[in-house]
Amino acid sequence: DTGVSQDPRHKITKRGQNVTFRCDPISEHNRLYWYRQTLGQGPEFLTYFQNEAQLEKSRLLSDRFSAERPKGSFSTLEIQRTEQGDSAMYLCASSPGGGRDTQYFGPGTRLTVL
Amino acid sequence: ILNVEQSPQSLHVQEGDSTNFTCSFPSSNFYALHWYRWETAKSPEALFVMTLNGDEKKKGRISATLNTKEGYSYLYIKGSQPEDSATYLCAFYGSARQLTFGSGTQLTVLP
Repeated sequence: DTGVSQDPRHKITKRGQNVTFRCDPISEHNRLYWYRQTLGQGPEFLTYFQNEAQLEKSRLLSDRFSAERPKGSFSTLEIQRTEQGDSAMYLCASSPGGGRDTQYFGPGTRLTVL
Repeated sequence: ILNVEQSPQSLHVQEGDSTNFTCSFPSSNFYALHWYRWETAKSPEALFVMTLNGDEKKKGRISATLNTKEGYSYLYIKGSQPEDSATYLCAFYGSARQLTFGSGTQLTVLP
């Protein structure tokens, strides 16, 4: 399968713990995006990478959130000291190029913070 | 803060009915308008990327139109089927170089 994959699909954690999610984009895609989606809302942009460079991170929700894309391949999103308000679906997408290109989404990671 | 609005929020139709939804977005700094379909427990699926005023796109029974001057797009589904049940999302891409999504229209097609 050559689509976007995310791991894990579900994560339950206790408040205060750190969590890390992984995204594997479509292999020839240069751009990789992270979004958060909460109930009743559309996906909310968090950050994106062009190859290994993180070009926009001002929309990350707080300094507890960080993302990496070493070697321009897979990416990780880490949330430190999780809070109940972090409970959401975290989506990853990839595209060949910029905003006029279709973004292909993964199935998401559902995070529940107890 | 960009405002992307979708209406209606939810819609129930009978199998065979045709239906349409609206997406409104800023008319300035426009680069592209994306439409996605998101079925429960699946990945959001791209339907269309529209870039030119007056664009019309079609994929099977689904079509979309774009008016960038007044800032709206319509998505039409002809002869709705139960498998069309999903949330339909539009997303604006402008000079901020990021997608801003609406809250979606949740469509339920009753057999």
